[in-house]
Amino acid sequence: EDKVVQSPLSLVVHEGDTVTLNCSYEVTNFRSLLWYKQEKKAPTFLFMLTSSGIEKKSGRLSSILDKKELFSILNITATQTGDSAVYLCALYNNAGNMLTFGGGTRLMVKP
Amino acid sequence: KAGVTQTPRYLIKTRGQQVTLSCSPISGHRSVSWYQQTPGQGLQFLFEYFSETQRNKGNFPGRFSGRQFSNSRSEMNVSTLELGDSALYLCASRSALTTSGYYEQYFGPGTRLTVT
Repeated sequence: EDKVVQSPLSLVVHEGDTVTLNCSYEVTNFRSLLWYKQEKKAPTFLFMLTSSGIEKKSGRLSSILDKKELFSILNITATQTGDSAVYLCALYNNAGNMLTFGGGTRLMVKP
Repeated sequence: KAGVTQTPRYLIKTRGQQVTLSCSPISGHRSVSWYQQTPGQGLQFLFEYFSETQRNKGNFPGRFSGRQFSNSRSEMNVSTLELGDSALYLCASRSALTTSGYYEQYFGPGTRLTVT
């Protein structure tokens, strides 16, 4: 069974700090790795990573995939209270019809 | 473009009853997936429909079923409800393969089901 593990489970930081969220997986074959942000509602899409070593950036957020070491990281710089959320990592199977999610990292940013 | 819509947003049922949840995907999206989210198990895949056909199914009992209509709207049904079925049920709408070679997937707001 495909397995996706996120760490840490939860994290408390202060505004302005930089955080790194980890996602490791035990999947031999997949189409892409996705990161989502979930507040008190549906997950919202952040990044899709398909190639190893290519960093994706969006403002203060960035993410990279390492297919050799089987992990991805999500970095958030200069954190703000609005970044407080659960961050989810998921793998898209090759057929593109199923996402396998990790358990998420709960981030709390204090003012 | 309107987003993914799910109805109802909240639902309270008692054990043994059945429930039907509805999902309308983004216009033009033909793939609809359903996920169950609970504090203990996280987000788990239920099933995926494309052009009225179920193409993939997660590891859930037969009490969980679904269907998709010709307009791509989808319903999922849970029969003989159990307390453990209390969860947020999320529907996701997926685009066709883009020119960049990936799919765009968007989640609806979810239906929060409480079983008492």
